[in-house]
Amino acid sequence: GENVEQHPSTLSVQEGDSAVIKCTYSDSASNYFPWYKQELGKGPQLIIDIRSNVGEKKDQRIAVTLNKTAKHFSLHITETQPEDSAVYFCAARGRNSGNTGKLIFGQGTTLQVKP
Amino acid sequence: KAGVTQTPRYLIKTRGQQVTLSCSPISGHRSVSWYQQTPGQGLQFLFEYFSETQRNKGNFPGRFSGRQFSNSRSEMNVSTLELGDSALYLCASSILQGAGETQYFGPGTRLLVL
Repeated sequence: GENVEQHPSTLSVQEGDSAVIKCTYSDSASNYFPWYKQELGKGPQLIIDIRSNVGEKKDQRIAVTLNKTAKHFSLHITETQPEDSAVYFCAARGRNSGNTGKLIFGQGTTLQVKP
Repeated sequence: KAGVTQTPRYLIKTRGQQVTLSCSPISGHRSVSWYQQTPGQGLQFLFEYFSETQRNKGNFPGRFSGRQFSNSRSEMNVSTLELGDSALYLCASSILQGAGETQYFGPGTRLLVL
């Protein structure tokens, strides 16, 4: 079945350093890959997304790269700040979902940015 | 523009009871999806509604059901509650249904089953 593996499960970095979170998906027909940030007591907030016809996308300190051949995609956060501390989820939408919005989520990465 | 709203935010029920959760999507959004979030299983898709029709369903028992109204608001119902149903239930909305549609999540309803 459809599956998304996310690593690492926890990540601790110093303020100002970069953080990288990686995800691998199983459905080669997946065509949409969003990343969400979830803070304590809140719902997931979309921070960036990428579609299968694009290899990389940037938004200020955040970037996502997609390697369709290897079926993996990564989130890169540069110049991390304490407010970046949260749980990050990757997700994929596969063609097996039909024309629907069903997302398959990774298990999440708890990012801690130390001041 | 107001975000996705969910009510109630917190709920305590006992085993065997039933519960109804409500979701109001972002104005103009017609697709609503529901997810269950637990520490052990993570975020799992429950079902999706578009134009009052269920378009996709996850691997949950029939005790989990939902519906969507003509104003795109959605409700989900869980009957005969079990301890394992304790979770954060998240609703997400998008403008349309389909490939690559961005989904925006609400704050969730935290359900505790005793």
